[in-house]
Amino acid sequence: GAVVSQHPSRVICKSGTSVKIECRSLDFQATTMFWYRQFPKQSLMLMATSNEGSKATYEQGVEKDKFLINHASLTLSTLTVTSAHPEDSSFYICVPPGGNTEAFFGQGTRLTVV
Amino acid sequence: KQEVTQIPAALSVPEGENLVLNCSFTDSAIYNLQWFRQDPGKGLTSLLLIQSSQREQTSGRLNASLDKSSGRSTLYIAASQPGDSATYLCAADNYGQNFVFGPGTRLSVLP
Repeated sequence: GAVVSQHPSRVICKSGTSVKIECRSLDFQATTMFWYRQFPKQSLMLMATSNEGSKATYEQGVEKDKFLINHASLTLSTLTVTSAHPEDSSFYICVPPGGNTEAFFGQGTRLTVV
Repeated sequence: KQEVTQIPAALSVPEGENLVLNCSFTDSAIYNLQWFRQDPGKGLTSLLLIQSSQREQTSGRLNASLDKSSGRSTLYIAASQPGDSATYLCAADNYGQNFVFGPGTRLSVLP
């Protein structure tokens, strides 16, 4: 399976600060990683796709200047929430591409902006 | 554009009951369909993966079926236990690209 580790699992930050979330692929090389967020009682929604060696692609309505994605290597993708506000409080999770094997995701990151 | 729905949104049952969770998807051209479990405040745990060429998969008390032509999958949980309480998500894998997740079914199994 595709094993992914995400850090931190929980973070509380003050409004206006930035938060970086790391997503590491442990047993495979990820040229692509998908970032989702989940607001309370809603489904996981795709935010953006990170691509190793090129710019991320963002879904409609997602501010690329606010949610900075960097895919620095084949094993690391990061999401930085810049100038976070309370409405950015959500559950963020990175997900590897699908395929014929089960995908094992990390814990995700629960962000609370106060 | 693929859309995934799940019914019911929430379910509360006494311990020991057999139950069925339903998942529907609009685009039948999927690569596979996967069921996940999500505990409060936690990430996703993969339960079962059904490839597009398969009709069902079983793991312990769990059985998942797939009917691509009708755009449906069901997750059957036998002899439910309080530890099964969680949110169950189905996700359609579109040709090895991004997953499209359903909204989930929140299951509560009462002791």
